[in-house]
Amino acid sequence: GAVVSQHPSWVICKSGTSVKIECRSLDFQATTMFWYRQFPKQSLMLMATSNEGSKATYEQGVEKDKFLINHASLTLSTLTVTSAHPEDSSFYICSAGTVPRYEQYFGPGTRLTVT
Amino acid sequence: KNQVEQSPQSLIILEGKNCTLQCNYTVSPFSNLRWYKQDTGRGPVSLTIMTFSENTKSNGRYTATLDADTKQSSLHITASQLSDSASYICVVSEWGSGTYKYIFGTGTRLKVLA
Repeated sequence: GAVVSQHPSWVICKSGTSVKIECRSLDFQATTMFWYRQFPKQSLMLMATSNEGSKATYEQGVEKDKFLINHASLTLSTLTVTSAHPEDSSFYICSAGTVPRYEQYFGPGTRLTVT
Repeated sequence: KNQVEQSPQSLIILEGKNCTLQCNYTVSPFSNLRWYKQDTGRGPVSLTIMTFSENTKSNGRYTATLDADTKQSSLHITASQLSDSASYICVVSEWGSGTYKYIFGTGTRLKVLA
């Protein structure tokens, strides 16, 4: 149980285009979903936290207009990287959690490369 | 400032040997501490989770300890295997204002050699 999927697993896009990444909790309802990015040999950096049906809370320094997060249901959250630039190339990981159990389950990640 | 520090930064051991990874934290108020294993290019997978009242938790060859007084945790890997090669991340949660905040350590990169 507690499986989280991400789609796509990797994507290459041209600079200036937008890319959408999906995060799904397959066998449980996630009240909260988290989006992280990870650069090579570094730990995960939290970008934003989203609760179903409400606006996402972004970490300091993360542009909310560039990284659009939608948590439309208890099993699906999406991250859209708008007007992507090469510096947005990174490994994006989502996790899903349930309150008050405080556990979070990570997806397998999405490798984004912007050319 | 809430911080989680892990040591060593990287570690190379021979297959079959044991090793211990360290995690020191200054997170307050403390809720729980988790150890994750992250294979290259994959998302983290939970190994153990411990609350304030727990001082040891095992998961197969992985044993985590927690000393809430000194704010230290360790992850001991017994009889290492090649598949143990990965990054191990310590994550400490704080609970405040009705929500959890997760503080990530920088990880320890473990390489197991045949």
